[in-house]
Amino acid sequence: EPEVTQTPSHQVTQMGQEVILRCVPISNHLYFYWYRQILGQKVEFLVSFYNNEISEKSEIFDDQFSVERPDGSNFTLKIRSTKLEDSAMYFCASKASGYEQYFGPGTRLTVT
Amino acid sequence: RKEVEQDPGPFNVPEGATVAFNCTYSNSASQSFFWYRQDCRKEPKLLMSVYSSGNEDGRFTAQLNRASQYISLLIRDSKLSDSATYLCVVNSPSFNKFYFGSGTKLNVKP
Repeated sequence: EPEVTQTPSHQVTQMGQEVILRCVPISNHLYFYWYRQILGQKVEFLVSFYNNEISEKSEIFDDQFSVERPDGSNFTLKIRSTKLEDSAMYFCASKASGYEQYFGPGTRLTVT
Repeated sequence: RKEVEQDPGPFNVPEGATVAFNCTYSNSASQSFFWYRQDCRKEPKLLMSVYSSGNEDGRFTAQLNRASQYISLLIRDSKLSDSATYLCVVNSPSFNKFYFGSGTKLNVKP
């Protein structure tokens, strides 16, 4: 069964550094998403992406964040100048033309 | 007001019990509704979409009440493996954004 994959599974970085989180969505999916989940809290929408551009972004997704689909398979989330409060699980999701999203296993980001 | 609200639980039930979870949403223009389950420190996994007419998948039944902006999930004959957090998810009217509830924790005990 096709699945969304994410790398790395765990990233540790120092405050102020830049990180890139990588996702490979399901191959025939057209819509891509990033979410984050701070430990013990709910899943929060960050951004949606379709046809090589951002469809919608949340208030959390400020200038510190950017997304890119550099080739036909990868979808990346870049976080510039990381802060302690960026520590969270980051989930990538994708969907086809229907409504149901499928999530990757997540990247645990720890900012020290 | 939160976009999606759920009773956080936990619901502690014995094996074989029937348990129901509720969820309310704030935007009457939302069109798509889902239940996901999330195991500890894992990704959300789609359990079922929720349709206006209600739908059933084995032991799981989902209902939607648009007038009350209310979604429910019923689990019959609970198994130990049903222990998880159940997330109610609602899309934005633009269909580009999805709102998650905080989840309802279920513990099924032998």
